[in-house]
Amino acid sequence: QKEVEQNSGPLSVPEGAIASLNCTYSDRVSQSFFWYRQYSGKSPELIMSIYSNGDKEDGRFTAQLNKASQYVSLLIRDSQPSDSATYLCAVISNTGGFKTIFGAGTRLFVKA
Amino acid sequence: DAGVIQSPRHEVTEMGQEVTLRCKPISGHDYLFWYRQTMMRGLELLIYFNNNVPIDDSGMPEDRFSAKMPNASFSTLKIQPSEPRDSAVYFCASSRTGGGQPQHFGDGTRLSIL
Repeated sequence: QKEVEQNSGPLSVPEGAIASLNCTYSDRVSQSFFWYRQYSGKSPELIMSIYSNGDKEDGRFTAQLNKASQYVSLLIRDSQPSDSATYLCAVISNTGGFKTIFGAGTRLFVKA
Repeated sequence: DAGVIQSPRHEVTEMGQEVTLRCKPISGHDYLFWYRQTMMRGLELLIYFNNNVPIDDSGMPEDRFSAKMPNASFSTLKIQPSEPRDSAVYFCASSRTGGGQPQHFGDGTRLSIL
């Protein structure tokens, strides 16, 4: 079982719609969760971090965390073509040091 | 503030040659990470340092790979001898101390071994 799992996609949504990206993780004691955006040919860029159960909103982005279900998601409201990228879920596992485990990423296409 | 700085941005070399990748972390960050990214395997952690000390090198693929961090502002990843299967994008990232801090990535080095 992979430690951090994401649907590879591609996820295709029309412009203006809500894009929903999902991630599950296996280490129950994980405490820190991140979403990175990676454009083609570029490096990963941090867009959201979340540490507590519930929702965290930042502009058009909302991160949701449910530790009981070991599930973290990212919602992008009013999706724009410029949101088309690969979104990486990352989890810091507290076991064996503070190592960040990245998911394989979900490719998102926003159609104009 | 300057971000993580990597050099070179691109490297093309022939099989068997030594390759050295360089990284300058963000000032004040005491964790440094080296990753490799390919289409097939995604983003793989190779090694990470805390306060210049290697903490976990379990991701280093084989003895041909080595990494050093002689001081807080510089790290190298060396491949000797290089092989075509080492072709990938290599990222360096850094983060502040304290569990749970996000990492900040450099622009990466695109390495092609012919």
